Amino acid sequence: EAGVVQSPRYKIIEKKQPVAFWCNPISGHNTLYWYLQNLGQGPELLIRYENEEAVDDSQLPKDRFSAERLKGVDSTLKIQPAELGDSAVYLCASSLGTGTSSVQFFGPGTRLTVL
Amino acid sequence: AQSVTQLGSHVSVSEGALVLLRCNYSSSVPPYLFWYVQYPNQGLQLLLKYTSAATLVKGINGFEAEFKKSETSFHLTKPSAHMSDAAEYFCAVSLTGGFKTIFGAGTRLFVKA
Repeated sequence: EAGVVQSPRYKIIEKKQPVAFWCNPISGHNTLYWYLQNLGQGPELLIRYENEEAVDDSQLPKDRFSAERLKGVDSTLKIQPAELGDSAVYLCASSLGTGTSSVQFFGPGTRLTVL
Repeated sequence: AQSVTQLGSHVSVSEGALVLLRCNYSSSVPPYLFWYVQYPNQGLQLLLKYTSAATLVKGINGFEAEFKKSETSFHLTKPSAHMSDAAEYFCAVSLTGGFKTIFGAGTRLFVKA
């Protein structure tokens, strides 16, 4: 069974440029998460989808970040414009269930460097 | 609100020695507790989880963790470290009936030959 797929794995951009990350969850997993992981820190939730509905986006900086999950399968996270402080690893995860006992399966992440 | 604290950002052990990674949580209701491991350039993967059944939880690769309500702890142990155990370990807590999982800052485990 294929795991969570993320692309690109690495991205280097100039500040003020836009950037987009793509995630394909495990087949059949209806819940999808985007996390931000700063160096030396644990993942922090940005947004959680149940199918195509964003059910928790309270931590997403909506002035510059946006996300979509069309058709309830793969998802895109966008930053426009990027700032220096956005340099981090962006993790995507998926789970079969919606409750907090559900095990999350993580992709390898996209490491973003903003210059 | 729930929170999780991992004591020690770095732990170093010799191969064959006991591994002990500490995790304390704060929760107003019975929690679900998880340990995830992250190998270099890979995503996090589940080691084990506690969901209010047995307090001693066995996971993959010989790891286990014990839920101690009186100490609000969920420490991860392995009797004998192997070089392949070198990785970053994250403790996480979520609330029964809630929807958010909170991760600790992680503990990087080094294993010396």
